[in-house]
Amino acid sequence: AQSVTQLGSHVSVSEGALVLLRCNYSSSVPPYLFWYVQYPNQGLQLLLKYTSAATLVKGINGFEAEFKKSETSFHLTKPSAHMSDAAEYFCAVSDLGLSGGYNKLIFGAGTRLAVHP
Amino acid sequence: GAGVSQSPSNKVTEKGKDVELRCDPISGHTALYWYRQRLGQGLEFLIYFQGNSAPDKSGLPSDRFSAERTGESVSTLTIQRTQQEDSAVYLCASSLVPYEQYFGPGTRLTVT
Repeated sequence: AQSVTQLGSHVSVSEGALVLLRCNYSSSVPPYLFWYVQYPNQGLQLLLKYTSAATLVKGINGFEAEFKKSETSFHLTKPSAHMSDAAEYFCAVSDLGLSGGYNKLIFGAGTRLAVHP
Repeated sequence: GAGVSQSPSNKVTEKGKDVELRCDPISGHTALYWYRQRLGQGLEFLIYFQGNSAPDKSGLPSDRFSAERTGESVSTLTIQRTQQEDSAVYLCASSLVPYEQYFGPGTRLTVT
């Protein structure tokens, strides 16, 4: 079964610093991988997704993630943090459903990003 | 266009009471999902509807939980005889393609 591990439940960076949020997955089939962001009191918003095309995926708000099969990783990065990036970030892998097609998402526990001046 | 909507946004109920949570998916989205997010934790899959196929109920934690969906429209998640451990945010998502889910704002359920 698929699973996702996010290393670090809390990450704190200075404004302007590099953001690195770690995600490792396990999957018995080629995975589809996702990063979602959740701002306080809001639903989840898709940041970016990997669906077996280019291994370096660019998303919204300057974020990107690189799929590394050899490391089973899909870390999220942003070169320069902004105060508005403070939120909770979830990595997810798409699991095979009963019919064999991809459907439900398996989420990591989340990483809360704090950005300080 | 309109996104996924959920109601109510907040629900406080007494232990033992039944609750119904509603999800309105994006029009035209054939797939609908329910997830639960407990405080400080990631999302847990509950149930998945795809068109007229039998739903995937593999994530429902107990027989107190049930969900219905009529066609490709509204879904309701029902929790019977609520317990304090049911307190969580219940999130609904819909999708047209399987790997691009759009989430609603959630319903925060508090069981006292």
